[in-house]
Amino acid sequence: GAVVSQHPSRVICKSGTSVKIECRSLDFQATTMFWYRQFPKQSLMLMATSNEGSKATYEQGVEKDKFLINHASLTLSTLTVTSAHPEDSSFYICSLEHTDTQYFGPGTRLTVL
Amino acid sequence: DAKTTQPPSMDCAEGRAANLPCNHSTISGNEYVYWYRQIHSQGPQYIIHGLKNNETNEMASLIITEDRKSSTLILPHATLRDTAVYYCIVRVGGGNAGNMLTFGGGTRLMVKP
Repeated sequence: GAVVSQHPSRVICKSGTSVKIECRSLDFQATTMFWYRQFPKQSLMLMATSNEGSKATYEQGVEKDKFLINHASLTLSTLTVTSAHPEDSSFYICSLEHTDTQYFGPGTRLTVL
Repeated sequence: DAKTTQPPSMDCAEGRAANLPCNHSTISGNEYVYWYRQIHSQGPQYIIHGLKNNETNEMASLIITEDRKSSTLILPHATLRDTAVYYCIVRVGGGNAGNMLTFGGGTRLMVKP
């Protein structure tokens, strides 16, 4: 399978600041990556689909100006949570598609104070 | 994508086989059955997938009924490390990178000593 890394694994920030989360494909080039969010005791919810070299596609209810996605290369997609608030505290997980299967990163735990 | 129905929780004794059922009665002919699991505070881990034939790999076996309306994931010798939430997901396969995964509630498997 594919190896996906995320950085950082855990971040704590103050309300109003911005946080950038990186998602890297370590062993192949990915034209498409996905960003999910998971609140405590809930299932994963797709936030957006990140396409290399073009604008991301956001799911209904996800603010594109708040969750900035940049897929500047075939091995890196970044999610920036702008002006973070406590309600943005969540587990953010990226994934990518390789040979009919999606592989997930280890996730980033964001806590906004 | 078709919906799936899974029991919310199951217990299994360590060393015994764990059989996790999934109903997907509205599955389409071109939709695959995928299984993932999520151990606490980690990203989902791919287990196995199939279209209509039974599949086996080093982690598990997937048994799909002839009418494809249900399937069973079998962990042949469950260990304590198999305690996780198991997700059964159906989606179109065929290498289309635009096909997202829709996560339901999954089955929380508790392996007990």
